[in-house]
Amino acid sequence: TQLLEQSPQFLSIQEGENLTVYCNSSSVFSSLQWYRQEPGEGPVLLVTVVTGGEVKKLKRLTFQFGDARKDSSLHITAAQPGDTGLYLCAGARGENYGGSQGNLIFGKGTKLSVKP
Amino acid sequence: NAGVTQTPKFRVLKTGQSMTLLCAQDMNHEYMYWYRQDPGMGLRLIHYSVGEGTTAKGEVPDGYNVSRLKKQNFLLGLESAAPSQTSVYFCASFNVWTTKYNEQFFGPGTRLTVL
Repeated sequence: TQLLEQSPQFLSIQEGENLTVYCNSSSVFSSLQWYRQEPGEGPVLLVTVVTGGEVKKLKRLTFQFGDARKDSSLHITAAQPGDTGLYLCAGARGENYGGSQGNLIFGKGTKLSVKP
Repeated sequence: NAGVTQTPKFRVLKTGQSMTLLCAQDMNHEYMYWYRQDPGMGLRLIHYSVGEGTTAKGEVPDGYNVSRLKKQNFLLGLESAAPSQTSVYFCASFNVWTTKYNEQFFGPGTRLTVL
């Protein structure tokens, strides 16, 4: 069962455009993370959001956690070719202290291509 | 600091052959994970370990075994490879003492093809 739905699956835009990627679920998460994965490499953590309504900024990237902690969005302003990659959201239902509640559940990802 | 390393990077097996994938981390992390990544399926957890000598099943454990004899190493074994195990395998680790949100460090992956 896929608990985290990401949309869109694919996105191809021109340099300088803005975009938003969504991560939705019917389940509540204690925290949600966004990773970026480049071809031939492993995912790299971008940000973790933990509080409902929380907004975090990382240069041109803005991450938001929904008020009910069931969804999140990633907005990129003035996209650049270096933003190209697979963006993955991952949620944890609980905290990780020896049990499985803290294990991450990954969305299928959004493949972003930014053309110069 | 090498972070998380995986050996080998690529491997081709024939159906029925066995192999072991090695994951090593030099960050003294307690928790380690094995995932597989397939097109359109995202990352799925195979097995994980919360410390030396412990292992547990994840979402898709069938056909795989793991061992964590040393804290820094987590081995993933395929006893009798099947074409359905063709995938990219990622290892990840996490420092439970510095964060409670399971922020994972990933290795570069092993691309496995089973013919």
